[in-house]
This record gives sequence, structure tokens and C-alpha cells, in this order.
Amino acid sequence: RKEVEQDPGPFNVPEGATVAFNCTYSNSASQSFFWYRQDCRKEPKLLMSVYSSGNEDGRFTAQLNRASQYISLLIRDSKLSDSATYLCVVNLRAAGNKLTFGGGTRVLVKP
Amino acid sequence: GAVVSQHPSWVICKSGTSVKIECRSLDFQATTMFWYRQFPKQSLMLMATSNEGSKATYEQGVEKDKFLINHASLTLSTLTVTSAHPEDSSFYICSADIAGGVNEQFFGPGTRLTVL
Repeated sequence: RKEVEQDPGPFNVPEGATVAFNCTYSNSASQSFFWYRQDCRKEPKLLMSVYSSGNEDGRFTAQLNRASQYISLLIRDSKLSDSATYLCVVNLRAAGNKLTFGGGTRVLVKP
Repeated sequence: GAVVSQHPSWVICKSGTSVKIECRSLDFQATTMFWYRQFPKQSLMLMATSNEGSKATYEQGVEKDKFLINHASLTLSTLTVTSAHPEDSSFYICSADIAGGVNEQFFGPGTRLTVL
């Protein structure tokens, strides 16, 4: 079983619609959680950290469910520029700040 | 702030040659730098963790004699792919975390290596 699993997609989303997807992680000792965004042939960029109480950043909302070991990302009012691969990332701090990346969920926003 | 650069951004080389990739933190000191590899349509896989002035820690399955890492200063780490072969063709990305910082890693723009 992979340490961090994501639905690879693609999620085809009409512009203006809402899209949500999850990520599951296997290590219950994981302490920090992030969503990164990666555009084609570019490096990943931090989208947002995920906090236990859930958090929102503009049109993006992230949730963490420790009991079920999953995190989610919801994008409201999708823009064409939201088309990208979204990487779920988990940090097991006891392992020296190493990040473990999921395989990514591809989102395609279409007009 | 928190900019990481990589050089070169892309390189094409013949099989059997060695290629050096540099990773620099431009406006901060990085206690730790990380090297990742990403094959097409796959996610980033951590290759090794390097701390300034000490030997790198390699992930399982990564050959330390093939992927030489040097972290000589708090702002520079290098990855040398020795005797590169076509299967080493990949996107190599480094990241750095800020000395005394919390969690966040800053990624370089990546180096695309193609071995003919």
C-alpha cells in the first residue's frame, strides 16, 4: 500500500463549478499535511497547509480527518487557471522533515 | 523571499557521462536540502536528504555511489549523476528548508535530464 494515495483523475470540471477530492495516508503518526500544486513540467508550489480544524484560503478549502486518515481539498468557483495536478503531501516530522508525496490528482477546468 | 534556484534547468548528455546539478538557496540559509526525482506521470520520489557538512542520507533503493551529493555550505548542495544511462533520464528537483523554520520546504525549478 502506498503511503499517500490519491485518485489520479483527471477531474474534468466546468468553469465556475466546485470540485473536491481526497487523499488517504497510511502512517497514523503523520503530523503535517499540505496540498501542493504542480503545473506541467514545473516544480510543485505550496497551495496550502492543512490544519486539524480545517482551513480556507479564498476559493480553496482543506479538511483533515485524522480518525480516517484522509485529507480533502475543495475548489469553489473553478477558474481555467486552476487546471493543474494537485499533490497531497504528508510530513512525518519524526523522520526529519521528510515530505511524502501522493501521486497527484489532475484537474482540468474547461470553459 | 525563500527562493531556490537550480542549474542547469535542462541538460542532454551521452550515456556514460556524469552530470552535476546545483541547488542554491538564494536568500536564506538551508539547514537541510532534499533531492527528488520525478518520472513522467509519476509523483516526486525523495532520493536523499542532505545536511550541510555531513553525509547525505539516501532513501532505500537509491545508489549512493551513483548519485553523489555534496552539501558544502548552507546555501549550496550538488547532485552528481555519475555514469548516466537513459534510465536516469528524469526531472530532478531539490528543495530546502529554512534553518530554524517550521516545516515548509521551498522547491527549486527542477532540472530535466535526458540521457541519450
